Amino acid sequence: DAGVTQSPTHLIKTRGQHVTLRCSPISGHKSVSWYQQVLGQGPQFIFQYYEKEERGRGNFPDRFSARQFPNYSSELNVNALLLGDSALYLCASSLGAGLGYEQYFGPGTRLTVT
Amino acid sequence: AQKITQTQPGMFVQEKEAVTLDCTYDTSDPSYGLFWYKQPSSGEMIFLIYQGSYDQQNATEGRYSLNFQKARKSANLVISASQLGDSAMYFCAMRAPGGGADGLTFGKGTHLIIQP
Repeated sequence: DAGVTQSPTHLIKTRGQHVTLRCSPISGHKSVSWYQQVLGQGPQFIFQYYEKEERGRGNFPDRFSARQFPNYSSELNVNALLLGDSALYLCASSLGAGLGYEQYFGPGTRLTVT
Repeated sequence: AQKITQTQPGMFVQEKEAVTLDCTYDTSDPSYGLFWYKQPSSGEMIFLIYQGSYDQQNATEGRYSLNFQKARKSANLVISASQLGDSAMYFCAMRAPGGGADGLTFGKGTHLIIQP
C-alpha cells in the first residue's frame, strides 16, 4: 500500500510570494495534519483536518491556511512568504482524529525562501 | 500547556548494545498519548511505538519498548541490540486533548549514532 505522499519534494520561493503544498493520505485515512520542522528542531503542529473540517490549529499566523478535499487529500497554503518560513513541511495522516491514533508521516516538502 | 523534554542532544553507542533515550513530559490532562518517532537523514518521520496514559503495561514493538513511569512523567525509549541502521534522530511526542489543538507536541530530539 502507498504511504503518505507529498508534492513537490523541494521548492524555492522568493520573499512575499505564495506557496501551495499538497498531501495525499494513506488510503482509508480520514485525518491529515501539517507540521513545520525548522532545521535542528522537532516538528511544530500547524493544522489538523478530519472529515474536511479543521480539527485543530497550532500557533501560526493567518498567513498559513489549509483545506481538506472530499478525497481526504489536503493543501497547505502560505501567503507573503518570509525567510523564516524556510523549513521542511511534513504531512501526516491517521485513521481518525482521536487521542491514540498513530500519525504516519510523508517524506516532506523542503521549502527554501530567498 | 504541553511540553516534551529530551535532554540528550546526541548519543554514541556501540553496535549490539541496548540504548535508552530519555523523554519527560508535562501536561495537566489526565488522558494523553505518548509517541516515539525515528527520523533518518532522508527526513521522513517513522512511527515506532505508542503508549496511552491509562495503559497498564509498557508498550513493546519488536526491539523497541517504552519505559513508562507515570508518576515521574517519563516515557523513555529502549532499543535492544542496537544496529547500524538505528542511527537517526529520535523524537518523543505527546498528544493531549487540552489546549484546543489536536496535534502532536514534539521534543527537540536525540541524535543517535551507532558505532561498529
